[in-house]
Amino acid sequence: AQSVTQPDIHITVSEGASLELRCNYSYGATPYLFWYVQSPGQGLQLLLKYFSGDTLVQGIKGFEAEFKRSQSSFNLRKPSVHWSDAAEYFCAVGSNDYKLSFGAGTTVTVRA
Amino acid sequence: DGGITQSPKYLFRKEGQNVTLSCEQNLNHDAMYWYRQDPGQGLRLIYYSQIVNDFQKGDIAEGYSVSREKKESFPLTVTSAQKNPTAFYLCASRSTPSSYNEQFFGPGTRLTVL
Repeated sequence: AQSVTQPDIHITVSEGASLELRCNYSYGATPYLFWYVQSPGQGLQLLLKYFSGDTLVQGIKGFEAEFKRSQSSFNLRKPSVHWSDAAEYFCAVGSNDYKLSFGAGTTVTVRA
Repeated sequence: DGGITQSPKYLFRKEGQNVTLSCEQNLNHDAMYWYRQDPGQGLRLIYYSQIVNDFQKGDIAEGYSVSREKKESFPLTVTSAQKNPTAFYLCASRSTPSSYNEQFFGPGTRLTVL
């Protein structure tokens, strides 16, 4: 069965600083990988996805993620964080039966 | 506007009562999903449906039931058998059952058992 680990429960970053959120997955075949963002009390919004091809994926809101098969990782990055990026971020891996397994999430706090 | 609606946004119920959460989508998606979200645990799959009149149990189906009589609707019933039902419930849909693409999420329903 597939699984996702997000090692960081909470990250605090200054506005304008760079951000990197870690995601490690476990899956036997070629993974389908996703990053979602959730504002408090809201649903999830897709930031980006990786199915195949270029291992550096660009998403919305200035986010990007890099797939590294050798490290079983799919880390999310943003060069310069805005106060509106404060939210909870979820990494997910998809299986061949089209179900998603989610990590526990990383909460990002942005300080002025 | 196309999207997923969940109602109500907040729901309170007494112990021992069944309650039904609504999920409607006008995206013409075939597949629909129900997740439960608890703090620090991410999202866990309760039930999913790839097509009308068919659904499968997810990882935590005990104490829940669903129906899929129409393509656009996938209601979730939280029964009195669910031992700890207080949580945030999210509904999602996906366009094509047999190809890989993302799930779209509704705004969620927060259920509190009093």
